[in-house]
Amino acid sequence: NAGVTQTPKFQVLKTGQSMTLQCAQDMNHNSMYWYRQDPGMGLRLIYYSASEGTTDKGEVPNGYNVSRLNKREFSLRLESAAPSQTSVYFCASSGQGGFAEAFFGQGTRLTVV
Amino acid sequence: AQSVTQLDSHVSVSEGTPVLLRCNYSSSYSPSLFWYVQHPNKGLQLLLKYTSAATLVKGINGFEAEFKKSETSFHLTKPSAHMSDAAEYFCVVSSYSGGYQKVTFGTGTKLQVIP
Repeated sequence: NAGVTQTPKFQVLKTGQSMTLQCAQDMNHNSMYWYRQDPGMGLRLIYYSASEGTTDKGEVPNGYNVSRLNKREFSLRLESAAPSQTSVYFCASSGQGGFAEAFFGQGTRLTVV
Repeated sequence: AQSVTQLDSHVSVSEGTPVLLRCNYSSSYSPSLFWYVQHPNKGLQLLLKYTSAATLVKGINGFEAEFKKSETSFHLTKPSAHMSDAAEYFCVVSSYSGGYQKVTFGTGTKLQVIP
């Protein structure tokens, strides 16, 4: 059981370049999330998807877009990368209901130069 | 509204001494509470969770947390620290309303264990 798989693990971009972070889960979860982690700030929600076909903005959505391709996959796209987007990105998924914990991927370390 | 406050950004203990990581929360709904651990350059791993079944929750690696509703706290403890406990710990509150699950993270507490 792989859980939540993120690709790539590391990436260096030049300012203005675009890229897509991929995430897939095999736990049949409805909800999926994208977070960014910056020192001293914990994890901040970028976007989430409560179910296939729906997406909503989180706390820090500017500069990002997402696609919930199907129930398994939830991708995060940076259209024009900026140095402020240098961060570690985590994808997570969770089941419905108030007692479900989130399962996390291993993270993508992104550097924008 | 929902929020989490981790009262210490850094905690330093000697190996073999008790660990206390403090967390206070606020939530408009009956929340679930979690502690996650993140070792350097790793993803997040669930330590333990509170889901209203019992106020004292036991987790992995000897960690415990006690849910105190009157104090809106969910502090993480361990009787005796090991070197391998050095990591960053996140308190998380989760509630389900309006058809979706809202998850809020604290800003983290870095635990240093001194030999």
